[in-house]
Amino acid sequence: DSGVTQTPKHLITATGQRVTLRCSPRSGDLSVYWYQQSLDQGLQFLIQYYNGEERAKGNILERFSAQQFPDLHSELNLSSLELGDSALYFCASSVGTGETQYFGPGTRLLVL
Amino acid sequence: GEDVEQSLFLSVREGDSSVINCTYTDSSSTYLYWYKQEPGAGLQLLTYIFSNMDMKQDQRLTVLLNKKDKHLSLRIADTQTGDSAIYFCAERDAGAGSYQLTFGKGTKLSVIP
Repeated sequence: DSGVTQTPKHLITATGQRVTLRCSPRSGDLSVYWYQQSLDQGLQFLIQYYNGEERAKGNILERFSAQQFPDLHSELNLSSLELGDSALYFCASSVGTGETQYFGPGTRLLVL
Repeated sequence: GEDVEQSLFLSVREGDSSVINCTYTDSSSTYLYWYKQEPGAGLQLLTYIFSNMDMKQDQRLTVLLNKKDKHLSLRIADTQTGDSAIYFCAERDAGAGSYQLTFGKGTKLSVIP
């Protein structure tokens, strides 16, 4: 158990819908990272927050957004969902911005 | 941009050593990581190596780094059936203050009893 928690574990929704994925970092970690794992693209970095502020952006679609709250938990919002958004979404956390990242168990999203 | 390459499959017999290889392209990478993913589970950090090191050993795991060839390997001694999983090599992007990880596609290790 890495100490990073993610909810929900599974999510099934329809095209065009909007969902919110939640992540709680390890106690004391200030950075949260979001990654997407799909069969065709592999594991791809989406976005990083550090102490409430966006720090880095990767291959994140404009339909996706994220935020980190004062209690340091983070949410990833996915809107106008398409079939191709079906994937495993991981959250990771680290103490600062350059330390080792510890991953949560992931949220499996299925868009029908 | 950065690219991390791994072979997709490896099959070994229980008790043998497994060697999983990885090549990377970013010469400015400072940390290289190995993560393990079991079916239906998240990514478990196995070990990491700093770029000024050539080797790191941690119980049954040995990481070798060849900076000249940008080649990283993970050796698992006395491989057990519980080691069956997908192993990901990742490099940490050290450019422009971003510390995102770039992952390889993963190597699926199958251990034959």
